[in-house]
Amino acid sequence: DAKTTQPPSMDCAEGRAANLPCNHSTISGNEYVYWYRQIHSQGPQYIIHGLKNNETNEMASLIITEDRKSSTLILPHATLRDTAVYYCIVRVWLRKPGANSKLTFGKGITLSVRP
Amino acid sequence: SAVISQKPSRDICQRGTSLTIQCQVDSQVTMMFWYRQQPGQSLTLIATANQGSEATYESGFVIDKFPISRPNLTFSTLTVSNMSPEDSSIYLCSVEVRTERLGFGTDTQYFGPGTRLTVL
Repeated sequence: DAKTTQPPSMDCAEGRAANLPCNHSTISGNEYVYWYRQIHSQGPQYIIHGLKNNETNEMASLIITEDRKSSTLILPHATLRDTAVYYCIVRVWLRKPGANSKLTFGKGITLSVRP
Repeated sequence: SAVISQKPSRDICQRGTSLTIQCQVDSQVTMMFWYRQQPGQSLTLIATANQGSEATYESGFVIDKFPISRPNLTFSTLTVSNMSPEDSSIYLCSVEVRTERLGFGTDTQYFGPGTRLTVL
């Protein structure tokens, strides 16, 4: 699977949008971009994933560049509860159930939301 | 999605003993996974547990140390055997769920809350 690069940390003000960047310059055509977050001492929480089109759900938006070499996770109105480590993961997807590659967690980016 | 529970949520154990961690999911799933998260570190996959077959272990993890059972499609256990203080970690199980959208499926892993283990 392609490797991802994230800055170690960032902060934003409560109520503002948090834009979390991720580089995956070696991504290949059948690799998806997944985002998870882990609030202190809890299990990782799935946020969103995408292949090449921008995606939005109730938690966040995922913007993937046209060349797919980088992406940005957007939390539109960050709250104090969004303070967490956010992991950007690239993963090959295969049509056969159970054939997908494993999730490989890097160090992630620590987002601190300040009041 | 899937709702996953783990027991115990935390435990403090003596070195040399073993602890079995249970993972229960609210729906039938084929793929279940066990991860370890050492203090201040990211998650590391221990093994993949598919119902009806032997668990597949990642490099650095062996069955004698981390035996896994997968008796049905909603349950799995991980045992941490002959524990030492280096085994102090959070142990997490996860399941993979396939979602169909517009005739195309993708897989997503959902995680349990974790078991915090301290070995003295």
